[in-house]
Amino acid sequence: EAAVTQSPRNKVTVTGGNVTLSCRQTNSHNYMYWYRQDTGHGLRLIHYSYGAGNLQIGDVPDGYKATRTTQEDFFLLLELASPSQTSLYFCASSDTGASSAETLYFGSGTRLTVL
Amino acid sequence: GEQVEQRPPHLSVREGDSAVIICTYTDPNSYYFFWYKQEPGAGLQLLMKVFSSTEINEGQGFTVLLNKKDKQLSLNLTAAHPGDSAVYFCAVSEGTNAYKVIFGKGTHLHVLP
Repeated sequence: EAAVTQSPRNKVTVTGGNVTLSCRQTNSHNYMYWYRQDTGHGLRLIHYSYGAGNLQIGDVPDGYKATRTTQEDFFLLLELASPSQTSLYFCASSDTGASSAETLYFGSGTRLTVL
Repeated sequence: GEQVEQRPPHLSVREGDSAVIICTYTDPNSYYFFWYKQEPGAGLQLLMKVFSSTEINEGQGFTVLLNKKDKQLSLNLTAAHPGDSAVYFCAVSEGTNAYKVIFGKGTHLHVLP
């Protein structure tokens, strides 16, 4: 069974705070993704990567950085958090790119609140 | 770029009733289509994926219909039960931009016992 693990599960920070969300996959997948989920918007892609050291910009990248340190680990960084970044964040992985009919495997999410 | 509209945003049905969720998309070159289910407190899990043809796929208790002429994808739960209560998302791959999947906004399905 494919496994994607996110941490922390919940995070509260203040405006201007520095936050790192972590994701690890044990699927040996090449592609990893960061999405945010907001009511009325569904899932929106922030950043994605097709391998260690690679980073691609998604649809809503402003205010976010990401880093793929290994094939397993993908991090999302909010260096100056703002209330507009309060959201539910999902990490996902896939064996090839998501447009080649490969299934996306999602973590359980991190709920971030920026006060 | 591709736009995906999903309706309805909320749906309540009685146990044993059918439930239909519909997505429409804009890019005629879209090739891969997915339905995901999100249970409370969990990530999304794949229900079914369909490919570039008009087809009906049947899973356990549900039917997926792809109509490329009308650019419409539907999920039909034939006899809903409380365990089907979840948020359902359709997703469509962009034909001209690899490694990018566009999600609908989701449908909150509530099955009443």
